Amino acid sequence: QSALTQPASVSGSPGQSITISCTGTSSDVGSYNLVSWYQQHPGKAPKLMIYEVSKRPSGVSNRFSGSKSGNTASLTISGLQAEDEADYYCCSYAGSSTLFGGGTKLTVL
Amino acid sequence: QVQLVESGGGLVKPGGSLRLSCAASGFTFSDYYMSWIRQAPGKGLEWVSYISSSGSTIYYADSVKGRFTISRDNAKNSLYLQMNSLRAEDTAVYYCARRRVRGAYLDYWGQGTLVTVSS
Repeated sequence: QSALTQPASVSGSPGQSITISCTGTSSDVGSYNLVSWYQQHPGKAPKLMIYEVSKRPSGVSNRFSGSKSGNTASLTISGLQAEDEADYYCCSYAGSSTLFGGGTKLTVL
Repeated sequence: QVQLVESGGGLVKPGGSLRLSCAASGFTFSDYYMSWIRQAPGKGLEWVSYISSSGSTIYYADSVKGRFTISRDNAKNSLYLQMNSLRAEDTAVYYCARRRVRGAYLDYWGQGTLVTVSS
């Protein structure tokens, strides 16, 4: 049950686009289209942003999008805004287990 | 609206026990799987356990297997986590979350309850 691998930090300027990667294995990310992404602001509970690789829950901005290729999933945020500054976690179904990534801190410059 | 409210956290000595509760409202609790996820101070999220809607299917992370027990009372719209043989590394904010079976994602989270294991 190893955690998924995410970059520790990414940054971008307002209006730019950034992509956060999430690398797993053929036993988790690579085997299932069951990757989700969560946004967490300091001191707050995580919030679902993307599910089933690329679907957005109602109420989540279409600036957030997800994709997957092989064992790596990605979250892209376009048109960066100040309120996007937060920690982002990927998550994958892995049979009898659920794996989270280590988290990526997004800084909006 | 969906609400999940955790309670039961606190300070406990190593080797001690604690029972967390999660009160659910705003949806038909008995129709949904539920999960516990924790977050150590300054660290990332770690999945702990999940339970099916009927309680017949349960899974645990290796780090808590044999020490923690998840359960639910559908009549009381409540989820529980019994934590025994607690260790310092169990110190974390514990979140309950609703888990969608189809998609295996967590669509609603509670605000969390802090568990501190220290002598």
